[in-house]
Amino acid sequence: DQQVKQNSPSLSVQEGRISILNCDYTNSMFDYFLWYKKYPAEGPTFLISISSIKDKNEDGRFTVFLNKSAKHLSLHIVPSQPGDSAVYFCAANNQGGKLIFGQGTELSVKP
Amino acid sequence: GAVVSQHPSRVICKSGTSVKIECRSLDFQATTMFWYRQFPKQSLMLMATSNEGSKATYEQGVEKDKFLINHASLTLSTLTVTSAHPEDSSFYICSAAGTGLFEQYFGPGTRLTVT
Repeated sequence: DQQVKQNSPSLSVQEGRISILNCDYTNSMFDYFLWYKKYPAEGPTFLISISSIKDKNEDGRFTVFLNKSAKHLSLHIVPSQPGDSAVYFCAANNQGGKLIFGQGTELSVKP
Repeated sequence: GAVVSQHPSRVICKSGTSVKIECRSLDFQATTMFWYRQFPKQSLMLMATSNEGSKATYEQGVEKDKFLINHASLTLSTLTVTSAHPEDSSFYICSAAGTGLFEQYFGPGTRLTVT
């Protein structure tokens, strides 16, 4: 049972445009959500997070939106840069501290 | 962000041997460390959670006698793959969290190949 889902395995965006990565979850007990960026053969790098009591968190070019009623979150990157090309994982933190990861979305930003 | 290191980054071993992977938090004290494995093109799957000074908690389906975890200090956790088999070949990643647990900082991963 996949509790965190990223239904788009890949996304291609032109440099300078907005990248929107989506994530859905099923467990309403999740209280914290995170986005990680990962390059091949490397560990994930933390990008941005959001608590379940908020609906938006912004950090520079990265904004995460949370829609609790829809059990949906999204990561917006604007403007997108070629260096943003990587696999992005969303993760949900349950009250025990475990991270449940989605399958990842490979973002390609073309110059 | 916090720095977590893993050693070795790559290891090739023969079937039946044991391999130890180290995970260190370099600039903070990690109350909890997590071990994940990732198969190609797939998500990270949590294997076990370890708290300093206590036994690790393993996820369902993970053999605790095969994947030995030791978290002897607040900056070091080790994963030993015992009697490795080719199906254990994978990318193993550790992460470390402080008391807040909300944010985990990941190591660079270890590529294990069992021949």
